[in-house]
Amino acid sequence: DQQVKQNSPSLSVQEGRISILNCDYTNSMFDYFLWYKKYPAEGPTFLISISSIKDKNEDGRFTVFLNKSAKHLSLHIVPSQPGDSAVYFCAATDNQGGKLIFGQGTELSVKP
Amino acid sequence: DTEVTQTPKHLVMGMTNKKSLKCEQHMGHRAMYWYKQKAKKPPELMFVYSYEKLSINESVPSRFSPECPNSSLLNLHLHALQPEDSALYLCASSQEGPGWDTQYFGPGTRLTVL
Repeated sequence: DQQVKQNSPSLSVQEGRISILNCDYTNSMFDYFLWYKKYPAEGPTFLISISSIKDKNEDGRFTVFLNKSAKHLSLHIVPSQPGDSAVYFCAATDNQGGKLIFGQGTELSVKP
Repeated sequence: DTEVTQTPKHLVMGMTNKKSLKCEQHMGHRAMYWYKQKAKKPPELMFVYSYEKLSINESVPSRFSPECPNSSLLNLHLHALQPEDSALYLCASSQEGPGWDTQYFGPGTRLTVL
């Protein structure tokens, strides 16, 4: 049972445009969400997080939106740069000591 | 500083070998994790140490043996591995433990079992 789903395995975007990566979850106990970026043969790098008491968190070019009623979150990257090309993992957890549950990842390609 | 270091970067071992992976963090974090990641898959949790005690073992085979000598160090001892154990092994740490706590990952050890 996949509790965190990233339904798009890949996304291609033109440099300078917006990249929108989506993530859905099924477990209503999840209340903390994170996005990680991963280059090949490297460990995931933490990008941005959001708790369930917020619906938006922004950090530079990265903004995460959370829609609790739809159990959906998205990561917006504006403007997209070629260096953003990587695999992006959405992850979720709860405040009860639960594990970090990862989605399957979306491979973003930003073309010059 | 959010650095987690791992050594070695690459490791090739035979099925009868014994080897160890090492992980270190100096962020004062009290929770450390081992994950396994296969190509094009998300990281899979193996073990969690919280305050130097093993708190989660995700039913990992006994050929993988974790050790936490102190709050900054985490080892993963490997013995009699199988070729299907070839993967990227990731270490992570967080302030307290699983839950509302951002985990920071190391660069990983690429393990190949022949």
